[in-house]
Amino acid sequence: NAGVTQTPKFRVLKTGQSMTLLCAQDMNHEYMYWYRQDPGMGLRLIHYSVGEGTTAKGEVPDGYNVSRLKKQNFLLGLESAAPSQTSVYFCASSPQGPYTEAFFGQGTRLTVV
Amino acid sequence: GENVEQHPSTLSVQEGDSAVIKCTYSDSASNYFPWYKQELGKRPQLIIDIRSNVGEKKDQRIAVTLNKTAKHFSLHITETQPEDSAVYFCAASNGQNFVFGPGTRLSVLP
Repeated sequence: NAGVTQTPKFRVLKTGQSMTLLCAQDMNHEYMYWYRQDPGMGLRLIHYSVGEGTTAKGEVPDGYNVSRLKKQNFLLGLESAAPSQTSVYFCASSPQGPYTEAFFGQGTRLTVV
Repeated sequence: GENVEQHPSTLSVQEGDSAVIKCTYSDSASNYFPWYKQELGKRPQLIIDIRSNVGEKKDQRIAVTLNKTAKHFSLHITETQPEDSAVYFCAASNGQNFVFGPGTRLSVLP
């Protein structure tokens, strides 16, 4: 099993460009999450999904959109990138919601210049 | 919503000593408290967790204690080793999602 896989691992964007980060999990987990990690601020939840076709806003959703068309995939989109979105992005999944272990992807380092 | 605080932000200990990291949470409905370890450049990984119906849990050199009345929980690492050097995150879950603390950078000095 690959677990949770994020694509790409690194990306540099110019301000105003758009991109999509892909998260794929092969563990048949219902719940999936997108976090951003900034120095000294821990992991902050952007959006999450409790199942195929569902999405919900987290703590810092502005400037991001998500989709969960297939159970195994959770996409994070930036429509118009800003320097404030420079961060490391982590996707995670858990089998039964936030009462069980969350498995993280390897992270995507995004720089917006 | 839930708010999780974590202290200290950095901690240096001598190899073989113990390390303690403390977290407080605000939502009395939270009932699941995991701890994650993140090595440099790696993904966070669960090291231990505790549920609200338990006061203490131990796994070899690591243990977690929970005081629901005071709304705080702590991670204890005994006999620290260089490979324990990492950033540790606590989290609390109230059934909606995980809320993480800001992290503690632990350095174990040889």
